[in-house]
Amino acid sequence: RKEVEQDPGPFNVPEGATVAFNCTYSNSASQSFFWYRQDCRKEPKLLMSVYSSGNEDGRFTAQLNRASQYISLLIRDSKLSDSATYLCVVNRDNYGQNFVFGPGTRLSVLP
Amino acid sequence: NAGVTQTPKFQVLKTGQSMTLQCAQDMNHNSMYWYRQDPGMGLRLIYYSASEGTTDKGEVPNGYNVSRLNKREFSLRLESAAPSQTSVYFCASSSTGGGADTQYFGPGTRLTVL
Repeated sequence: RKEVEQDPGPFNVPEGATVAFNCTYSNSASQSFFWYRQDCRKEPKLLMSVYSSGNEDGRFTAQLNRASQYISLLIRDSKLSDSATYLCVVNRDNYGQNFVFGPGTRLSVLP
Repeated sequence: NAGVTQTPKFQVLKTGQSMTLQCAQDMNHNSMYWYRQDPGMGLRLIYYSASEGTTDKGEVPNGYNVSRLNKREFSLRLESAAPSQTSVYFCASSSTGGGADTQYFGPGTRLTVL
């Protein structure tokens, strides 16, 4: 079993739709959680960190469920520019060399 | 600020050839990383450098060597390229090397080994 698992998609949604991605992780000792965004043939960029209490940044909401070991990302009012691959990233401890990247979920927002 | 830069952007090698991938950051970050990204898999850590003067192996170090030339530069060398090393290589840096740090990535090098 992979340490971080994601549904690869693709998720094809119309503009304006709400879409949610889940990610599960296997290491219960994991400390930090993130969503990164990767555009086609580009580098990953941080979208948002995920906090225990949940957090929101504009149209994006991230949730963490430590008991069930999953992280979610909700995108409201999808835009064409949201089309990308979303990477779930987990840090095993407090060291930068221990980030574990999920394989990503591909989102296509259609006009 | 250029952020993290990598050269070259593309490279084709024959089996057995060697090459060095260059990476530089201008954010005064302490920690730097080399990852590879293969289809259907998450990024995997090849080597990292927690601070200037130190380097350590990551998850998939076989077939690679690194040099932390100074605080800005971190290079990755393939001594004898193999087709299994065909991949996209990303260099990244982070401020302190902590687990909550944002990792900033370079644009990547697409390497094909024939």
